[in-house]
Amino acid sequence: AQKVTQAQTEISVVEKEDVTLDCVYETRDTTYYLFWYKQPPSGELVFLIRRNSFDEQNEISGRYSWNFQKSTSSFNFTITASQVVDSAVYFCALSYFGAGNMLTFGGGTRLMVKP
Amino acid sequence: EAGVAQSPRYKIIEKRQSVAFWCNPISGHATLYWYQQILGQGPKLLIQFQNNGVVDDSQLPKDRFSAERLKGVDSTLKIQPAKLEDSAVYLCASSLDRGGNTIYFGEGSWLTVV
Repeated sequence: AQKVTQAQTEISVVEKEDVTLDCVYETRDTTYYLFWYKQPPSGELVFLIRRNSFDEQNEISGRYSWNFQKSTSSFNFTITASQVVDSAVYFCALSYFGAGNMLTFGGGTRLMVKP
Repeated sequence: EAGVAQSPRYKIIEKRQSVAFWCNPISGHATLYWYQQILGQGPKLLIQFQNNGVVDDSQLPKDRFSAERLKGVDSTLKIQPAKLEDSAVYLCASSLDRGGNTIYFGEGSWLTVV
């Protein structure tokens, strides 16, 4: 069975602080894909990043960076110098090749960035 | 490129009434999904289509929910009769295909059953 755990249900930071959102996953498959989505108050799930299980390179995109570690089954997301516009719920999700692309989501982490 | 379109955005109905949601996926995307997101939770897959065929509907409450994608493009999700616990956001999503492709979501249809 696939499972995604986001232990932090809510995080509050002050603008310009760095913040890391944790994601731990479980899967028996060797070929799988990990995703992060952002859900602002409007409700739309905005795609941020996709990683396949064979690519453990960390990635940086502007203020966003992701740390994928297969040894600990983690795919953590860091926002550097947070801004108020980063306030949203962030979801980590997992799919595997045999599931026909079905996503299993974590429970989400609500990030509040205060000015 | 246009994103996934959904309508209506908001709907309030009484229990036992029916409701239908419409979705138009990103052009060229063969795979279409309906997810249900209850407040405070992550989305849960209801049904997945590949072109006009159903791939997975194992979590769809078939006694009250139905979905179709007749021509392999647009899709409709129907609930009849609605229950209070159906209050949720219904998210439509699409992807090029099923092999680990990125899934893109629409803005969702917010349903309140009173």
